[in-house]
Amino acid sequence: EDKVVQSPLSLVVHEGDTVTLNCSYEVTNFRSLLWYKQEKKAPTFLFMLTSSGIEKKSGRLSSILDKKELFSILNITATQTGDSAVYLCAFHTGNQFYFGTGTSLTVIP
Amino acid sequence: DAGVIQSPRHEVTEMGQEVTLRCKPISGHDYLFWYRQTMMRGLELLIYFNNNVPIDDSGMPEDRFSAKMPNASFSTLKIQPSEPRDSAVYFCASRAPSGPQGGEQFFGPGTRLTVL
Repeated sequence: EDKVVQSPLSLVVHEGDTVTLNCSYEVTNFRSLLWYKQEKKAPTFLFMLTSSGIEKKSGRLSSILDKKELFSILNITATQTGDSAVYLCAFHTGNQFYFGTGTSLTVIP
Repeated sequence: DAGVIQSPRHEVTEMGQEVTLRCKPISGHDYLFWYRQTMMRGLELLIYFNNNVPIDDSGMPEDRFSAKMPNASFSTLKIQPSEPRDSAVYFCASRAPSGPQGGEQFFGPGTRLTVL
């Protein structure tokens, strides 16, 4: 059965800290892995990863995929209170999208 | 572009009533997805359409749920009869035509459904 597991479930850090969020998956027909940020509304897209070892960056956020070990990480450096959200990992197979239950990040001043 | 539009934004109904949720995807997008999100189960894909045709409805929980997409700019998700356990936020998302490796989905604001 295809599935995706995120860890940790929740995380509380201070502003300025660096965090690493993990996403591991088991799929039978991997096509892409996506990261989303969800605040008190709909998820918003962060990254799409399809190839191993190639880092995607956007400002303080970066992500990388390891297709051999079946995981991805999302790094956030110099965290800010505006980074507080649930971060969702999802993967796309031939016919389905599966989302993890997310990591809830709280950044305190 | 206004993005994905969903209506209503909030719906409160009594058990046994019929509920219809509506979605207008982004113009030009050929994929449309319906998701349900709860604290217990997270975000679950219910059904998705490609070019108005249902491709995979394996996530639809039971026969009380049905979805249609009569044209490229409109889709509905219907629950009949509704039950308290259907209470959740229902998201619609759309995606532009893309290659076989998939692409970004744009989510609507969601409909928060409460069934009493």
